[in-house]
Amino acid sequence: QKEVEQDPGPLSVPEGAIVSLNCTYSNSAFQYFMWYRQYSRKGPELLMYTYSSGNKEDGRFTAQVDKSSKYISLFIRDSQPSDSATYLCAPGTDRGSTLGRLYFGRGTQLTVWP
Amino acid sequence: NAGVTQTPKFRILKIGQSMTLQCTQDMNHNYMYWYRQDPGMGLKLIYYSVGAGITDKGEVPNGYNVSRSTTEDFPLRLELAAPSQTSVYFCASSYSGVGTEAFFGQGTRLTVV
Repeated sequence: QKEVEQDPGPLSVPEGAIVSLNCTYSNSAFQYFMWYRQYSRKGPELLMYTYSSGNKEDGRFTAQVDKSSKYISLFIRDSQPSDSATYLCAPGTDRGSTLGRLYFGRGTQLTVWP
Repeated sequence: NAGVTQTPKFRILKIGQSMTLQCTQDMNHNYMYWYRQDPGMGLKLIYYSVGAGITDKGEVPNGYNVSRSTTEDFPLRLELAAPSQTSVYFCASSYSGVGTEAFFGQGTRLTVV
């Protein structure tokens, strides 16, 4: 079983739409849940992260974690063409045998058209 | 502030050749990582290091070697290049591992022919 599963898309939406991006994971020890954004031909950059369960909001972006179902979500409100990128979820833990490892999902390619 | 710098940006290798991908960071980060990214396949961890002199294997270490003699540098060595190693390689660093932001280089596009 893979550590992280993410639907690669691609996902194409009109400007202003609400976007939902999701991941599932298998390791119940994961405590940190990060989302990275990667523009074409660039390295990933941290978008936001949450610790443990719950929601976190940052402007138009909301990250949500449900540890009971091992499900991670990123919502984008009022999507803009500048949001067009690949979004990668990256859960991890600072304990045990996987200390130091940062796992990434396959990434979901998002296009927001004007 | 340069952040994470990778060289070269592009490289074409012939089967069986060897090369070293260079990575250096100027943020005094303890953790450094090497990933490969194949189209539509996300980032696969090759090797990582939690400090100078300490390295460990990730998910796909076969065909690669690393060393960490200084905090700043984390070179990745490819021995006997194979077409399966055609990929984009990213180096990253973070202050204290998971839970802190990882900063990525701009990537090295490697083609093995």
